[in-house]
Amino acid sequence: SQQGEEDPQALSIQEGENATMNCSYKTSINNLQWYRQNSGRGLVHLILIRSNEREKHSGRLRVTLDTSKKSSSLLITASRAADTASYFCATGPRNDYKLSFGAGTTVTVRA
Amino acid sequence: DGGITQSPKYLFRKEGQNVTLSCEQNLNHDAMYWYRQDPGQGLRLIYYSQIVNDFQKGDIAEGYSVSREKKESFPLTVTSAQKNPTAFYLCASRPWGGENTEAFFGQGTRLTVV
Repeated sequence: SQQGEEDPQALSIQEGENATMNCSYKTSINNLQWYRQNSGRGLVHLILIRSNEREKHSGRLRVTLDTSKKSSSLLITASRAADTASYFCATGPRNDYKLSFGAGTTVTVRA
Repeated sequence: DGGITQSPKYLFRKEGQNVTLSCEQNLNHDAMYWYRQDPGQGLRLIYYSQIVNDFQKGDIAEGYSVSREKKESFPLTVTSAQKNPTAFYLCASRPWGGENTEAFFGQGTRLTVV
């Protein structure tokens, strides 16, 4: 079974709006990572947040992590048409290189 | 250029045949992974390897086999035992340095079994 589960499954927003998606996971983690996938391509790493961090920023991306609730959120501010993609969270158990992905959130940004 | 290369990009095979997907990286990464992605779905882990000559089963290893004879190579064989092999296959690698490292992905191989 997948370690991380994203919510919502799909999101459609207007250019300039913010997009928020959530990820829940099941077991203790070292870190949580977010990736982006354009249709039919490989994944690209966006941001990594460690288990002892609560919030992290990178450009227009903001990630939060709540280990007590086993959940994370990814916020994309001032969205652009080029942000249209699928976004996945990934987690791995402590002391292991295993890396498991959720089902993803498909984001469509309308011009 | 450093990177991770999957080949071929598209692969067609007849039902009942084994097929091997190639994954090569020149990033000097220790860990390598294989994932399967079905249309509109997330990534499911097939196998992963942390070092040469060692690998672990992921969540959906049945019907697949791998080898890790060289650090830079992690080929995946889809055997005839895999009931529904048509899918998009992604290979990834990660550097040594603990678990707090990002994964780098290839561009994928789309396998169609006819």
